[in-house]
Amino acid sequence: EPEVTQTPSHQVTQMGQEVILRCVPISNHLYFYWYRQILGQKVEFLVSFYNNEISEKSEIFDDQFSVERPDGSNFTLKIRSTKLEDSAMYFCASSRGLGLAKNIQYFGAGTRLSVL
Amino acid sequence: KNEVEQSPQNLTAQEGEFITINCSYSVGISALHWLQQHPGGGIVSLFMLSSGKKKHGRLIATINIQEKHSSLHITASHPRDSAVYICAVHFGNEKLTFGTGTRLTIIP
Repeated sequence: EPEVTQTPSHQVTQMGQEVILRCVPISNHLYFYWYRQILGQKVEFLVSFYNNEISEKSEIFDDQFSVERPDGSNFTLKIRSTKLEDSAMYFCASSRGLGLAKNIQYFGAGTRLSVL
Repeated sequence: KNEVEQSPQNLTAQEGEFITINCSYSVGISALHWLQQHPGGGIVSLFMLSSGKKKHGRLIATINIQEKHSSLHITASHPRDSAVYICAVHFGNEKLTFGTGTRLTIIP
C-alpha cells in the first residue's frame, strides 16, 4: 500500500541551526501538509501546499519556516534558525484532493526534532 | 473559535469490553476524521465521515451533524487496540483541527 515517508525519524540540532525535514508524499496526491505535535500536546496544523504554493498557513508558521517541493516528489519543511520551542514531532500528510473521498489525509511516521 | 473536544482523556478497560470515545465540535464541519496514534508516534487514519455511520472490522464511527458530535466504538476490545485515538475535523477548509486525543489502555 502506498505510504508517506519521512526522513529522518529523529533529528537532533543545536539552537540557531537550520534544519530540513523531508517527506515523500504518495505519488498521485496533490495536497500536502505539515503538522506538529509538541510532547504532551495536541497535533497542530502548520501549512498546506497545493499547486506549488502555500494554500493556507497557521500563525505558528512564521518567517522562520518555509516549505518547498523541489523536484516533484519531495516535500520539505525548513526551519531557518531553530529555537528550543521548535522541539516537537513533525508530521507530513498528503491527500488526493478536496471533498469527501479525496481529502483522506495519509500521515507519515513523523520526524522527532530535538533542539538543544 | 473552532474547537474540538474529546472525552474521556484517558480510558482503561478490560479485554473484551465495548469502548466508546466521544468527540464534539463547536461549529459546522465539512468532514471528521478518527485517527489512531501508536506509542511510537505514528498516525493512522481510521475513518473519514460527514454523515451517518462507518464500520471497519471491530471499529464503528458515527456522526450526528445536528448535535455536532461523533463517537468511535470498539467492539471486543483487545490489548493491541491500546493507543491514542484522535478526532480531527475540517472546519470548511482543507486543514485539520485536532482534539487532544483519548489514551486507551486495554488490559488483558
